[in-house]
Amino acid sequence: DQQVKQNSPSLSVQEGRISILNCDYTNSMFDYFLWYKKYPAEGPTFLISISSIKDKNEDGRFTVFLNKSAKHLSLHIVPSQPGDSAVYFCAALGNSGAGSYQLTFGKGTKLSVIP
Amino acid sequence: DTAVSQTPKYLVTQMGNDKSIKCEQNLGHDTMYWYKQDSKKFLKIMFSYNNKELIINETVPNRFSPKSPDKAHLNLHINSLELGDSAVYFCASSQPYYGYTFGSGTRLTVV
Repeated sequence: DQQVKQNSPSLSVQEGRISILNCDYTNSMFDYFLWYKKYPAEGPTFLISISSIKDKNEDGRFTVFLNKSAKHLSLHIVPSQPGDSAVYFCAALGNSGAGSYQLTFGKGTKLSVIP
Repeated sequence: DTAVSQTPKYLVTQMGNDKSIKCEQNLGHDTMYWYKQDSKKFLKIMFSYNNKELIINETVPNRFSPKSPDKAHLNLHINSLELGDSAVYFCASSQPYYGYTFGSGTRLTVV
């Protein structure tokens, strides 16, 4: 039962353009959402987060939007740079039913930014 | 100075063997975790542990067991390894709420 879904396994974007990565969730008990970035052979690193009481959070080139009614969030990267090429994981924090307050990940979206 | 370090980075072993992966964090976090990333790239929690409570994901076979000698360490022991255990295992730590920091992963290959 996938509670956090990233339906696009990959995305290619031209350098300088906007990258939009999408994420859907099913558990309305999630109350905090995070995006992680992962390079090959490294662990995920925290990128940006948003509380369920907000609908937008911005940090430099990265903006996360949350639509609670649609149970949908998205990460916007503007402008995209080749160094942004990585796998991006959407994650949700809350009681996922496995017995603890924990982080539940989507499968990730591989972003390729083409120079 | 690595915040969450896990060793070894790569581990190749035969079916039926018992192996351990070590994890240490120097962040002073209260809670540590083990995640498994399978062949479909899905990151799934296996255990969360603080000095008071071990939470086990019910889907994890009991061949897997976490051992925590102290607050800064959470090692993963795996008995009777199976081919399906091949995956990348990530250790992580956090303070309450959202400060998750991950290790760089251990790629386990069972042959």
